[in-house]
Amino acid sequence: AQSVTQLDSQVPVFEEAPVELRCNYSSSVSVYLFWYVQYPNQGLQLLLKYLSGSTLVKGINGFEAEFNKSQTSFHLRKPSVHISDTAEYFCAVTAPSGGYQKVTFGTGTKLQVIP
Amino acid sequence: DAGVTQSPTHLIKTRGQQVTLRCSPKSGHDTVSWYQQALGQGPQFIFQYYEEEERQRGNFPDRFSGHQFPNYSSELNVNALLLGDSALYLCASSIGAVNTEAFFGQGTRLTVV
Repeated sequence: AQSVTQLDSQVPVFEEAPVELRCNYSSSVSVYLFWYVQYPNQGLQLLLKYLSGSTLVKGINGFEAEFNKSQTSFHLRKPSVHISDTAEYFCAVTAPSGGYQKVTFGTGTKLQVIP
Repeated sequence: DAGVTQSPTHLIKTRGQQVTLRCSPKSGHDTVSWYQQALGQGPQFIFQYYEEEERQRGNFPDRFSGHQFPNYSSELNVNALLLGDSALYLCASSIGAVNTEAFFGQGTRLTVV
């Protein structure tokens, strides 16, 4: 079984300041990791993903995340946030096995960018 | 490219009724997964369809059932609706059963009264 923990339910940050959204996962096997963003009343949009290879992953809108296997973490970062980054962010994990897989999501972190 | 489309966008049903939600995957995608997102929660995996068969299922009762058609579109059926079934239902499509990248629709907001 796999699980995801997002430690912060809400993160307020001033515009142009850096931000880190934390994500820890649990799985007994190798995993794929994702970050999704959800704007109000919309579906989820993929920000970035880690499948294998380089542990530093760059995504859209200036976001990046680092996979740390020893700490089972996949924290999301942005060096300078904009008002438009205000949204809810979900970390997700999947552990492909048997050719089929389900994706497990965290409970989400609401990022509030303050002007 | 229309992306993943879901219908209807909003729906109000009475407790005990049955509901069918529909999803058309992104062009070229053959796998559809359904998720339930309750207010203030992350999406919870319901099931995944690939080659017209249910391949994986989350922790949802048998009241939740689905179908995938030859054109890869899918339906989610929920019987004997409960108030607790009120949620945003999200459909995600991908290529193949191993989800290296899933594209989500806008969702169907179901309210059970």
